[in-house]
Amino acid sequence: EDQVTQSPEALRLQEGESSSLNCSYTVSGLRGLFWYRQDPGKGPEFLFTLYSAGEEKEKERLKATLTKKESFLHITAPKPEDSATYLCAVHSRGGSNYKLTFGKGTLLTVNP
Amino acid sequence: ETGVTQTPRHLVMGMTNKKSLKCEQHLGHNAMYWYKQSAKKPLELMFVYSLEERVENNSVPSRFSPECPNSSHLFLHLHTLQPEDSALYLCASSQDGAGYLETQYFGPGTRLLVL
Repeated sequence: EDQVTQSPEALRLQEGESSSLNCSYTVSGLRGLFWYRQDPGKGPEFLFTLYSAGEEKEKERLKATLTKKESFLHITAPKPEDSATYLCAVHSRGGSNYKLTFGKGTLLTVNP
Repeated sequence: ETGVTQTPRHLVMGMTNKKSLKCEQHLGHNAMYWYKQSAKKPLELMFVYSLEERVENNSVPSRFSPECPNSSHLFLHLHTLQPEDSALYLCASSQDGAGYLETQYFGPGTRLLVL
């Protein structure tokens, strides 16, 4: 069974203090790894898809990287508006064609 | 309207009530999904429709009944729910649903409280 573990569960940063969120996974053949951002009371908003180890993608202050066992979401010089829950999800070859397995998320709070 | 919309945004119902959640996508996608999001738990996939045909039903109790009349609309009919069914219900859509890797786009969700 596919498993996704995100750490830490919660992270508090000061504005400008860079850090990383971790997503470790155990799947039977990774087809893709997704990062989403979710604001309170809203649905998840798509950020990135990574397909193979070594791949990296960037968007503004966010950079996602992928290895064979985990993914990192690096946040450089975060701002208060980056505060949200960040969700990681995987799509595996061994599972349904339609199913994403999600982690529980990391709640990020950036203080001004 | 753009993206994926859901109505109502909030719903309070008793255990004997019958209600329906509505989802509409304006992205021209062919696959639609229902997810349940409970506090401190990962998103749980409930149902998937591809080209209006149900292709996934992840052991969801029969008190939840989905309906997909066309590729733009998805409903979740609710009856005799339990308090533990209180959660955020999210609808999502993706381009094709033909079985290869796709990005899913989510609506804002319906916050359901069962008393």
